[in-house]
Amino acid sequence: EIVLTQSPGTLSLSPGERATLSCRASQSVSSSYLAWYQQKPGQAPRLLIYGASSRATGIPDRFSGSGSGTDFTLTISRLEPEDFAVYYCQQYGSSLLFGPGTKVDIK
Amino acid sequence: QLQLQESGPGLVKPSETLSLTCTVSGGSISSSSYYWGWIRQPPGKGLEWIGSIYYSGSTYYNPSLKSRVTISVDTSKNQFSLKLSSVTAADTAVYYCARHLRPTVTNWGQGTLVTVSS
Repeated sequence: EIVLTQSPGTLSLSPGERATLSCRASQSVSSSYLAWYQQKPGQAPRLLIYGASSRATGIPDRFSGSGSGTDFTLTISRLEPEDFAVYYCQQYGSSLLFGPGTKVDIK
Repeated sequence: QLQLQESGPGLVKPSETLSLTCTVSGGSISSSSYYWGWIRQPPGKGLEWIGSIYYSGSTYYNPSLKSRVTISVDTSKNQFSLKLSSVTAADTAVYYCARHLRPTVTNWGQGTLVTVSS
């Protein structure tokens, strides 16, 4: 059974800074099956990245995804005020599995 | 624009069955390639996939919940439903219905809080 680990648990940054979020899988994952979501308080999650590196419709290009195998990264090039949220990675094997999340909060 | 809306009781007693329905508008639940699923989030915690169904009726469930979960679809009403039996306080969560391609959740409902308490 695959386990997803996200690090760090919390990332404290200022607007305009670069955010680098990590998602590590306990076994190799197909890049086609790795996605990232953003969730703000009181809201449903929103798809940001699918297939490890493809942006979903309407997602700004400051969000980018990369990685393969067991290590994947979500990068936010310059944080905007609306980007402070929790981010989840998710992989698909025989089921949908979410990582524990990384909270990006304002420093 | 596709919209999903959860409905059902917000309070369920321990040992009883939680029942929720998701109504889909702005698109057909019979669309090929898409699955319709349930995902939950306990207060202050992360996301857990419960299970999914295809419009044909084929289902797949989270192994950790499989013995208690039933998901069904009603294409005539453009709805799908969740039943979770023998609930405990650990099943208290916001329950989301969602549309997904096999690997990726593309659309989410707004979520509904279900509390398990006597």
